[in-house]
Amino acid sequence: EIVLTQSPGTLSLSPGERATLSCRASQSVSSSYLAWYQQKPGQAPRLLIYGASSRATGIPDRFSGSGSGTDFTLTISRLEPEDFAVYYCQQYGSSLFFGQGTRLEIK
Amino acid sequence: QVQLVQSGAEVKKPGASVKVSCKASGYTFTSYGISWVRQAPGQGLEWMGWISAYNGNTNYAQKLQGRVTMTTDTSTSTAYMELRSLRSDDTAVYYCARDGVAAASKPNWFDPWGQGTLVTVSS
Repeated sequence: EIVLTQSPGTLSLSPGERATLSCRASQSVSSSYLAWYQQKPGQAPRLLIYGASSRATGIPDRFSGSGSGTDFTLTISRLEPEDFAVYYCQQYGSSLFFGQGTRLEIK
Repeated sequence: QVQLVQSGAEVKKPGASVKVSCKASGYTFTSYGISWVRQAPGQGLEWMGWISAYNGNTNYAQKLQGRVTMTTDTSTSTAYMELRSLRSDDTAVYYCARDGVAAASKPNWFDPWGQGTLVTVSS
């Protein structure tokens, strides 16, 4: 079982700032089979990134993903008010597991 | 547009079963697998399992083996998830989600997701 650990648990930033969210795997994630999702209260998750760095259709280019092996990062270059939400990473290389989430809140 | 529409909220007693449906539209149903993911109140996401809408192959999370069954009805483009022997800790919002990759032999990333179905287990 690959355990995904996201950090920080909560990130407090202001609009316009840069956000860096981390997802660390307990074992190497094969072929960069890692995705990122955004979830707002009362809504279903929305796909942002797949294959560690490919943006999903319709996702603004301020969202970017990077990393390989066991360390992955989601970066939001300039935060917009609508970006404050919970973010989850997911690995789909060996079975399928989610990280516990990072809450991005307005400072 | 691709859309997944789930059935409505359910309230069940401990020990009962629940069956949630997920009707797909806007794409060729048999070309993509469907996963089910649940989220307990205030908690994170838990993957429950996957079914190929092409051949009915399934892949269940080890934790739920023996209690969950996933099926599809290709004539109505609908996927189903049945969970048996319900307990209070099964109370959650249950989501269906389509594979991001067509014709996959295992689950991958999910896009889009259904709107969610709240299942409450209470005596």
